Amino acid sequence: QTVVTQEPSFSVSPGGTVTLTCAFSSGSVSTSYHPSWYQQTPGQAPRTLIYNTDTRSSGVPDRFSGSILGNKAALTITGAQADDESDYYCMVYMGSGISVFGGGTKLTVL
Amino acid sequence: QVTLRESGPALVKPTQTLTLTCTVSGFSLGTSAMCVSWIRQPPGRALEWLARIDWDDDKYYSRSLRTRLSISKDTSKNQVVLRLTNMGPVDTATYFCARTGCTSTSFYYIDVWGKGTTVSVSS
Repeated sequence: QTVVTQEPSFSVSPGGTVTLTCAFSSGSVSTSYHPSWYQQTPGQAPRTLIYNTDTRSSGVPDRFSGSILGNKAALTITGAQADDESDYYCMVYMGSGISVFGGGTKLTVL
Repeated sequence: QVTLRESGPALVKPTQTLTLTCTVSGFSLGTSAMCVSWIRQPPGRALEWLARIDWDDDKYYSRSLRTRLSISKDTSKNQVVLRLTNMGPVDTATYFCARTGCTSTSFYYIDVWGKGTTVSVSS
């Protein structure tokens, strides 16, 4: 079974730029897998940030952007703010109706 | 306004079957390309996709849990029901339902989440 991997943790300075990635245990993540990204703070439901690789969900600031970098999906935060400190999850569509989440990245802003 | 609300027992005993209901509003479960997924999150751990039911009643399950899961819907009641059999302590989690894109033109992503319901498994 394909495992979707993300960096367990990352830190960024306020105002800095950080790129989180989403990879397969084997093979490449491409736009065909329709990667999407979600932000979650403790005790809350996730919030949708990016879908279909690079489309921002309604109301999401343009400092969040999605892309494919090499063989991975990527979420870039430009000009990080304190309230960006959250857990970030990617989800990919594997086909045959099945989706899979990555293990999540805990982002610290300090 | 699209909303989804999960309901069900907060506590189940080992070996019991969990039944959760997702009540939706602001859209119809019978409308083309309207689909609902269930996702869970054990305490302190990652999100896990469980199942999806489509407007045309097609159903899809996580490969690791498919023998224990069933999903169904009652369009007239605006409800989606998830059942998970043979519950054990590892199934302790917050369970979310969510509206999901389920075609290539709706991009297979979650656009609206419910707030979640917490389920503990203990004797």
